Amino acid sequence: KAGVTQTPRYLIKTRGQQVTLSCSPISGHRSVSWYQQTPGQGLQFLFEYFSETQRNKGNFPGRFSGRQFSNSRSEMNVSTLELGDSALYLCASSLGSATREQYFGPGTRLTVT
Amino acid sequence: DQQVKQNSPSLSVQEGRISILNCDYTNSMFDYFLWYKKYPAEGPTFLISISSIKDKNEDGRFTVFLNKSAKHLSLHIVPSQPGDSAVYFCAAYTGANSKLTFGKGITLSVRP
Repeated sequence: KAGVTQTPRYLIKTRGQQVTLSCSPISGHRSVSWYQQTPGQGLQFLFEYFSETQRNKGNFPGRFSGRQFSNSRSEMNVSTLELGDSALYLCASSLGSATREQYFGPGTRLTVT
Repeated sequence: DQQVKQNSPSLSVQEGRISILNCDYTNSMFDYFLWYKKYPAEGPTFLISISSIKDKNEDGRFTVFLNKSAKHLSLHIVPSQPGDSAVYFCAAYTGANSKLTFGKGITLSVRP
């Protein structure tokens, strides 16, 4: 079974721009969660989508948003990029909402200059 | 407020010896704990987990111990191998909000 895929793997953007990241979960998985990883903060939860609905949200500003499609694929959008948004963005999928074991993709490395 | 704490940023161990990775938590609502391993340029991979109703779970070379009264868990790797060199994240889950909370990670280096 194919794992979680994320595109693109690397991205360089300029401050003030916006960016969209994509995640395809493991086939059959209906929940997708997004995390931000930075050297000083570890993995911080952004949000979770299940059956096209946002089920959980972390403590991030409204510039961070997401959505999930009917095929469970998910996108994350960051508007008005700031230098501090430079990070590794990880997507994880699980069978259902409230499933504890999550399977991660390789991440998208975003650099904001 | 850091609810899951991995206070040591790094650990270096000789091959063949035991590696002990520690994790502390503050939220008594956490009822399930997981360890993930992460290599550079890859996403974290699930390693081992433990329910709050148990105090030990073993899987091959990996054992996780949970001390609920101390709000402390540890991952033991015996014997340690160079391929175990990675970043290890402790994560805690509560059914109250169905969310995983991660620690900041600890970098394990196993010396040949």
